Amino acid sequence: QVQLVQSGAEVKKPGASVKVSCKASGYTFTSYDINWVRQATGQGLEWMGWMNPNSGNTGYAQKFQGRVTMTRNTSISTAYMELSSLRSEDTAVYYCASGEFDYWGQGTLVTVSS
Amino acid sequence: SSELTQDPAVSVALGQTVRITCQGDSLRSYYASWYQQKPGQAPVLVIYGKNNRPSGIPDRFSGSSSGNTASLTITGAQAEDEADYYCNSRDSSGNHLDWVFGGGTKLTVL
Repeated sequence: QVQLVQSGAEVKKPGASVKVSCKASGYTFTSYDINWVRQATGQGLEWMGWMNPNSGNTGYAQKFQGRVTMTRNTSISTAYMELSSLRSEDTAVYYCASGEFDYWGQGTLVTVSS
Repeated sequence: SSELTQDPAVSVALGQTVRITCQGDSLRSYYASWYQQKPGQAPVLVIYGKNNRPSGIPDRFSGSSSGNTASLTITGAQAEDEADYYCNSRDSSGNHLDWVFGGGTKLTVL
């Protein structure tokens, strides 16, 4: 069965960076895009960007351009999302999702606090 | 970028039918997908494409679209359907590779 397993919760200081991982299993990792979505507490879903695990091509939402980097390691079927210059407003649960959001990871809580 | 607009909250009596809507210019070009999210859980895809349900999604969930509006209908709502529902689609305003989500609708089953 398809599974996306994300890394654990993180606490970061303002200005720092965070890197969240998303390990895929149950399908061919390079066959489907990986999207990243975040959700602040009590708020809606916010799309951040996509990555093609086969080519490494990426596309980022305008809001995050310059601050987000999506990469992958195909040898271990893992996608990564790194967000830099963190501020308190980046406190949220970050999700990876495969393909056209068919399957989702369990989410990773990133807390930005001084 | 485009926007998708949803009513913040909708309620339905147990066993009745409810329609949740999503409006936006992108929906003139792309089908919406729909996601169910319960508290503390990741979203789950319930409808995609013209009106397709992933394996395991009950057939009381259905989707439709007309013009700039997509709808999710739950026929015979159950207590376990109480959740937040989000629509999304490709963003037609840019390179058509981006995605956009609606703000979500909180469904209460009375």
